[in-house]
Amino acid sequence: ETGVTQTPRHLVMGMTNKKSLKCEQHLGHNAMYWYKQSAKKPLELMFVYSLEERVENNSVPSRFSPECPNSSHLFLHLHTLQPEDSALYLCASSQLTSGSNEQFFGPGTRLTVL
Amino acid sequence: QKEVEQDPGPLSVPEGAIVSLNCTYSNSAFQYFMWYRQYSRKGPELLMYTYSSGNKEDGRFTAQVDKSSKYISLFIRDSQPSDSATYLCAMIGQGAQKLVFGQGTRLTINP
Repeated sequence: ETGVTQTPRHLVMGMTNKKSLKCEQHLGHNAMYWYKQSAKKPLELMFVYSLEERVENNSVPSRFSPECPNSSHLFLHLHTLQPEDSALYLCASSQLTSGSNEQFFGPGTRLTVL
Repeated sequence: QKEVEQDPGPLSVPEGAIVSLNCTYSNSAFQYFMWYRQYSRKGPELLMYTYSSGNKEDGRFTAQVDKSSKYISLFIRDSQPSDSATYLCAMIGQGAQKLVFGQGTRLTINP
């Protein structure tokens, strides 16, 4: 595997379900990110982890819970979601010492909440 | 006012045309400017990045930054149907962690 991988690629869940999204980066980066991409809106940054410490939480509802067990893995735990949470969830990684903080994205998980 | 403004399109041009995609921004602290290409049902892919003002060329793609006008552009020469995608501009200040994205412009190149 190379780059940034995400599983599952598609997820359909009910409002009472609990599920988790997984992201893995194979680039040796020290920062990882969760973004939400909805139709006709800019990418919304949700969480940032730098050296496995959460450094940003952009007022995201508590029904989204991130976890970063090590520098290569990132999870997004989901519970009691709402239909408006349906979107493409993208994971990205970067090397913070690069100056430009170029971020490399995974393919995303297409989430549908019924 | 949004930090980054980008016309969402859609933009449709014939194959072989020169395409110009643009973003404006309001934060003068931005120093790194990037263009991402996103195909349908895929994640964004970093296409080009530039530091401060100036031009950068990579094959058929040219990125331009005019910091005095707070305006960036991506030009695609000899456009191909495979260039059909959504193009997102993104920018960040020196040492910052948060990339700020434009809304993305949906581009279609017609054979």
